[in-house]
Parts: sequence; structure tokens; C-alpha cells
Amino acid sequence: GESVGLHLPTLSVQEGDNSIINCAYSNSASDYFIWYKQESGKGPQFIIDIRSNMDKRQGQRVTVLLNKTVKHLSLQIAATQPGDSAVYFCAENYGGSQGNLIFGKGTKLSVKP
Amino acid sequence: GAGVSQSPSNKVTEKGKDVELRCDPISGHTALYWYRQSLGQGLEFLIYFQGNSAPDKSGLPSDRFSAERTGGSVSTLTIQRTQQEDSAVYLCASSALVDTQYFGPGTRLTVL
Repeated sequence: GESVGLHLPTLSVQEGDNSIINCAYSNSASDYFIWYKQESGKGPQFIIDIRSNMDKRQGQRVTVLLNKTVKHLSLQIAATQPGDSAVYFCAENYGGSQGNLIFGKGTKLSVKP
Repeated sequence: GAGVSQSPSNKVTEKGKDVELRCDPISGHTALYWYRQSLGQGLEFLIYFQGNSAPDKSGLPSDRFSAERTGGSVSTLTIQRTQQEDSAVYLCASSALVDTQYFGPGTRLTVL
């Protein structure tokens, strides 16, 4: 079946460096993608989203890139800080009537001081 | 403003008992979702409510699981005759639109 997956389960970066978290999706009908951040013991927190008619969207210190040709999504975090340490999930919505999101398994980001 | 709230935050129960988990969505949000997250895993969709439409129950793992949403607001997820494999964090989310979902802190369920 269709699925969303991540290339790297864990990522360790030095404080101040840029982080890139990748995600592959397989449903070509997906038209909306979201990145969530989940800190230990908390629910996922919305970071940024992008629609399929865009290939890049920027937020505060975060950028999401969408490559529909290879069905790839990435989250870039600039000047990574210790507070960025968390598990990051990508999710896709293929416009189904249900409205539910399909989540990837997540990438754990660890920031070293 | 207030976000999505869930109660209890932690629930420990014995195998075979029934449990009820509560979700208070963000005021005005018409859509409400329940997910299950096992330790170190992603989110597993359980059920979705949208307005007055019939809920999408396609993610419920067995008939021991059920959910209600009263008055288009508060929702209760009920697990009957709990099993040890039901142990997980149960997350609730709500949205004003179909897309962006805002999550509560979750209820950690432990079945002994």
C-alpha cells in the first residue's frame, strides 16, 4: 500500500549547524504535506506545511522542500539549537475524504552542544 | 488560546478492564482525530470525526475500540477488555480545515 517513510531514523548534529531531515512518499496523488515536531512526553507540534503546487516554503529557521519528480520531502533547520532536539514526522494527505494524515515513522534529531 | 486537551494524562489499568479516554478539541474545530502511538513508533490513525458526518472508523484495530463525539465537541475513546498490546500513547487532534491538525499532549495507557 501507499506509505510515507524516512531515509534516516536518527540524526546527530552540532549546535549551530544546519540540519536536513528527509522523507519519501509513494502516493503520487498526495497534495498536502506537513512536518511535525514531537518532544519527549508531548504531542506532535505543527512546524510547517506545503502544498503540491509549491516546491519550497520557508518559515522561521525552517524550510520545506518538495520534489514531486522523485516524491521526496525535506525539512531544513538552520542554525540548529538544543531546543530543536526531538522526533520529526512528515505526514501526507492525499486528499481522501477521510481527511486523515499518513505519518512516517519519524527521525530523531539530537543536537550536540 | 486553549489548545487540545486530553485526560487523563496517564492511565494504568489491569488486563480485561474497560477504559475511557477524553479529548477536548480546540473550540470551533469541526474535525477531530484519534491516533495511537506505540513506543518509538509513528502515529497510527484510529478514527476521524468531521462535523455531523458519520465517523471514519477504518483505523480501529478491533471491535473492542469505539469512540463517540458528543455535540460536535468533546470526544471519548473507549477500549473494552483491555489487552497488554493496547498499551500506548493515545493522541487526539483537531482541525478547522481538513489539513492542519493540532495535537493534544496524549494519554499514556499502560495495561498490566
